Formats: sequence, structure tokens, C-alpha cells
Amino acid sequence: ETGVTQTPRHLVMGMTNKKSLKCEQHLGHNAMYWYKQSAKKPLELMFVYNFKEQTENNSVPSRFSPECPNSSHLFLHLHTLQPEDSALYLCASSQGLAGVGTDTQYFGPGTRLTVL
Amino acid sequence: AQSVSQHNHHVILSEAASLELGCNYSYGGTVNLFWYVQYPGQHLQLLLKYFSGDPLVKGIKGFEAEFIKSKFSFNLRKPSVQWSDTAEYFCAVTRSNSGSRLTFGEGTQLTVNP
Repeated sequence: ETGVTQTPRHLVMGMTNKKSLKCEQHLGHNAMYWYKQSAKKPLELMFVYNFKEQTENNSVPSRFSPECPNSSHLFLHLHTLQPEDSALYLCASSQGLAGVGTDTQYFGPGTRLTVL
Repeated sequence: AQSVSQHNHHVILSEAASLELGCNYSYGGTVNLFWYVQYPGQHLQLLLKYFSGDPLVKGIKGFEAEFIKSKFSFNLRKPSVQWSDTAEYFCAVTRSNSGSRLTFGEGTQLTVNP
């Protein structure tokens, strides 16, 4: 299934580096999400975009900076990360039925990030 | 406090055994319930979902789940597992007043031995 793609699949970076994660959805959806998946912890919602507007920031540190230029693309810009930021970062998309809990999310394969 | 709980963190079964994975949530009011599966090296995939109607929901690959409102539960079942069901299973919930904000459980790693 290639509905939601993410690049790169693996990324190793130092704490002083700047890098970006990219997500693209081919499902015609209007909402996109970033999640963090750490070992032995539930998936944590980071950001939500609906029709290119950020609608949720779940108290994410400013070293993570999202960008949504259009409904099909979502970026996560990374700078001065910490080793504890190492995790799998997942992107998801949904139709964008604002306020509707039945809006099903579809996930990408994730980017495995390691911060040295 | 964890809002979505999956009590079994690792389940090991033999092929053909029956499976039941627990999921409990702590929200009142209307909820929407999901089970996702993550096969080794693959992305999260939707197994099934419950929004309303018949509380027994059938999903892909022979999985089903039953919503029991009085118990705040949405347990996942399969009568006979296969080696290919080895994966991590996640229960997730949205609340009627929080839009599409998914809250996930911790996940259950299922290992099926041939």
C-alpha cells in the first residue's frame, strides 16, 4: 500500500544537525498528522493539520517544527535534537472531517530517527 | 492516567489457538474505537473500527472485536491464529468531542509460533 509515503525511512543525525522528514499522501485527504512512536510507550500525537492549517500542537518542543505547504505534503523540520528524541516518527492522513471522531487515519511506514 | 489500556503487553500463542486481546478505555460519553496492526517492518494498518450499530465488528483477516459499553471494552478476537498474525496490535479511541484525535493504547506484541 503506498497511500502515505515517508522519506527518509532511516535517519541518523547529530544533536547539532538540521534535517527534515517528509510525508506525502496520495489519498485525496485534507488532514495530516505527525506521531512519535517510542519503545514501550503509546503513540503520541504531535501535530495535526487540517486543510493546511495547524489545528493541534500537543505541547511539542520547538526543536520540532512542522510545515504543511498543501494538503498532500507534510514536513517535520528537526534542529538541535536530543538523544531522547530518537524514535519512529509516523505520518498519517485522513479525510479531514473536522470534529468528527469517525475520520479514519491511514499511516505511513515511518522514519526511524536516531539522534547521536 | 492512561486513557486507553491494553493489559497484555506480550502474548505468545501456537498456531490454531484462539486469540483475545484486551482493550479498555476510560472515557465517558460517545467514543469511536479502532484496532490497528503493525506487522514487522510494515506500517500501521487498520484492522477494524466501531462507530455505532452492531457492537460486534468484523475486520480484515478474520479478526473481530466486540464493543461492550458497560465494561468500557473493545476486545479483539480471532478464533484461530496463524504464524502470519505475528505483529503488534494497537487499540485506539477517538472521543466525540475531540474530533479525529486518536488516543492509542500501549500496544500488544503477539507472537505466533508455528
